[in-house]
Amino acid sequence: AQSVTQLDSHVSVSEGTPVLLRCNYSSSYSPSLFWYVQHPNKGLQLLLKYTSAATLVKGINGFEAEFKKSETSFHLTKPSAHMSDAAEYFCVVSDWSDRWGAQKLVFGQGTRLTINP
Amino acid sequence: EPEVTQTPSHQVTQMGQEVILRCVPISNHLYFYWYRQILGQKVEFLVSFYNNEISEKSEIFDDQFSVERPDGSNFTLKIRSTKLEDSAMYFCASSDQGIDEKLLFGSGTQLSVL
Repeated sequence: AQSVTQLDSHVSVSEGTPVLLRCNYSSSYSPSLFWYVQHPNKGLQLLLKYTSAATLVKGINGFEAEFKKSETSFHLTKPSAHMSDAAEYFCVVSDWSDRWGAQKLVFGQGTRLTINP
Repeated sequence: EPEVTQTPSHQVTQMGQEVILRCVPISNHLYFYWYRQILGQKVEFLVSFYNNEISEKSEIFDDQFSVERPDGSNFTLKIRSTKLEDSAMYFCASSDQGIDEKLLFGSGTQLSVL
């Protein structure tokens, strides 16, 4: 079974400084990996996805993530944090369904990102 | 961008009562999902639905739960007799393809069972 582990439950950075949210995955085959963000009282929004193409994936709002098979990692980064980045971030791996090709997502426990002025 | 719509945003019910959570997926999507997040815990997969039937369900999705797409636009989750431990945020999602495609999530329904 696929799984992801987010190494930090809470990350706090100052506005304008880099962001690093760490994620390690476990998969018995080449995984599809995603980062989702959840702002307060909002739904889950896809930031970016990796599906075995380029290992460096660019997403929305200046975020990017690098797939490193040797380290089984998929860390999320942003060069310069903005106040609007404050949210909960989820690292997610896609697991196969036995039928119909539908997928189910396996979520990490989330990392709460706080931005200090 | 089109959105997945969920209603109500917050529902309070008494233990043992039936609840129906409603979702309107993206109109041309074919795959539909329910996930839930108990406070302080991970987001968990409940069920996926394709071609008018359940394609997969988790061990959480027992006989108390059912899903339906009654009219080609709505996608509902029914809990027949709610328990205290059903209190959670329930997310609906849809996608136009199965494997590796992004799921679009609704903003969730917060279910509180008293």
